[in-house]
Amino acid sequence: GEDVEQSLFLSVREGDSSVINCTYTDSSSTYLYWYKQEPGAGLQLLTYIFSNMDMKQDQRLTVLLNKKDKHLSLRIADTQTGDSAIYFCAEDYSSASKIIFGSGTRLSIRP
Amino acid sequence: KAGVTQTPRYLIKTRGQQVTLSCSPISGHRSVSWYQQTPGQGLQFLFEYFSETQRNKGNFPGRFSGRQFSNSRSEMNVSTLELGDSALYLCASSFGGQGADTQYFGPGTRLTVL
Repeated sequence: GEDVEQSLFLSVREGDSSVINCTYTDSSSTYLYWYKQEPGAGLQLLTYIFSNMDMKQDQRLTVLLNKKDKHLSLRIADTQTGDSAIYFCAEDYSSASKIIFGSGTRLSIRP
Repeated sequence: KAGVTQTPRYLIKTRGQQVTLSCSPISGHRSVSWYQQTPGQGLQFLFEYFSETQRNKGNFPGRFSGRQFSNSRSEMNVSTLELGDSALYLCASSFGGQGADTQYFGPGTRLTVL
């Protein structure tokens, strides 16, 4: 079945790295996405990775993909207070032509 | 390039009423998808429209319907509102082609049913 799982909460100290993890089910997914949602706002696409890649880096963001284990992670280096948000992992569920979202991980930053 | 816009941003309705939400996609995008976001259920897919046709549908009752116009703008309608329909409704647009089809989200419409 379709399922994308994430832990619900993560708390990190300002300046540290944050690592948000996600597991997905569709091994034929072409793309995997990370979205950010700030309070009262819609979802903002942060980054995505093709399924034939292992890693993608974009400034402070690093996405790692382990296709064998169907595990995706988002690392945010030097976490800042502006990074406080809910982060959603999503997979391109190709057999149904739709995108499936995880429940989101709420990232909170402590001083 | 303007982003995805949704109107209205906030709505308050009472049980039994109906509501229509609007979404204007990014220029050039032909696919519009609708999602319902609630604290308990997370983000759930409602349906997707592409070139004025419903292409995909999630597991929602028939009270939830939508349509898409020739300019790709889309509307979502919910009839006979229930308290449980209170949620943030998000729409997302994309080019809608095969392969890479990254979705871009609007700010959402927050619907409160009293």
